[in-house]
Amino acid sequence: AQSVTQLDSHVSVSEGTPVLLRCNYSSSYSPSLFWYVQHPNKGLQLLLKYTSAATLVKGINGFEAEFKKSETSFHLTKPSAHMSDAAEYFCVVSDLRANTGNQFYFGTGTSLTVIP
Amino acid sequence: GEEVAQTPKHLVRGEGQKAKLYCAPIKGHSYVFWYQQVLKNEFKFLISFQNENVFDETGMPKERFSAKCLPNSPCSLEIQATKLEDSAVYFCASSQSYSGGYEQYFGPGTRLTVT
Repeated sequence: AQSVTQLDSHVSVSEGTPVLLRCNYSSSYSPSLFWYVQHPNKGLQLLLKYTSAATLVKGINGFEAEFKKSETSFHLTKPSAHMSDAAEYFCVVSDLRANTGNQFYFGTGTSLTVIP
Repeated sequence: GEEVAQTPKHLVRGEGQKAKLYCAPIKGHSYVFWYQQVLKNEFKFLISFQNENVFDETGMPKERFSAKCLPNSPCSLEIQATKLEDSAVYFCASSQSYSGGYEQYFGPGTRLTVT
C-alpha cells in the first residue's frame, strides 16, 4: 500500500533563507513521487517529479528534491525563499508498476509562510 | 487545450438539490481523474476514466454520485440530493497515461457549497 507523510503542517521562513519541506513515503513497489504547489484558491501545479531516474530532481522556480530510498524520503528544498513561494505544498506518491490507474496518494500538505 | 478547464468556478446548492460539475481535460490526454478536497489539506480520490470508460471508481460514494466522460463532451460529475458534507472543492485532473510516473494536470477546481 502507498502512503505519504508530510512531517510539518506549517513551515515559516524568512525571505532569502533556505526552505525545507519534509516528506516520507511508503510504497509496496517502485514509487513515483511528486511535489505539487497550491496557491490560495487555485488548482495544483506540478513542481517536480521523481520516476526512478536521477535521484536529485530539479523543478520549477528553483525547487529541487532528493529521493532517498534508504530513508524513504523525498524532501523538497529551495536555497532562497521568495515571497511568492508562500503556498500549500503537497507530496504525492503513485506506484510505478501497479495497475491502479495511476492513482495518486496525497500527503496532508505543508503550509509555507515566507516572512519579509 | 493545454489546460484542464473546470466549470463552474463556484456552485451553491440547497441541501437536497442536484449539482453538476464539468471538466474538459487537456487535448490528447486519455485519463481523467476526479478528487474531492473537503478540508483544506485532504484530497480524496473519487473516480478515474480511460476515455469514456470508468477505470477506477473505488472512491465514489455510490448512492448519490455519478460521473461520465462522453466522446466530444466535457466530463461531468453529478451529485443527486446534495448533503451538507458534500461541500468541498472538486478537482479534475488529466493524464496521458495510467502508468505511475505520469503526472496529472489539475484544473482550478469547482467550489461546491451546500446550504
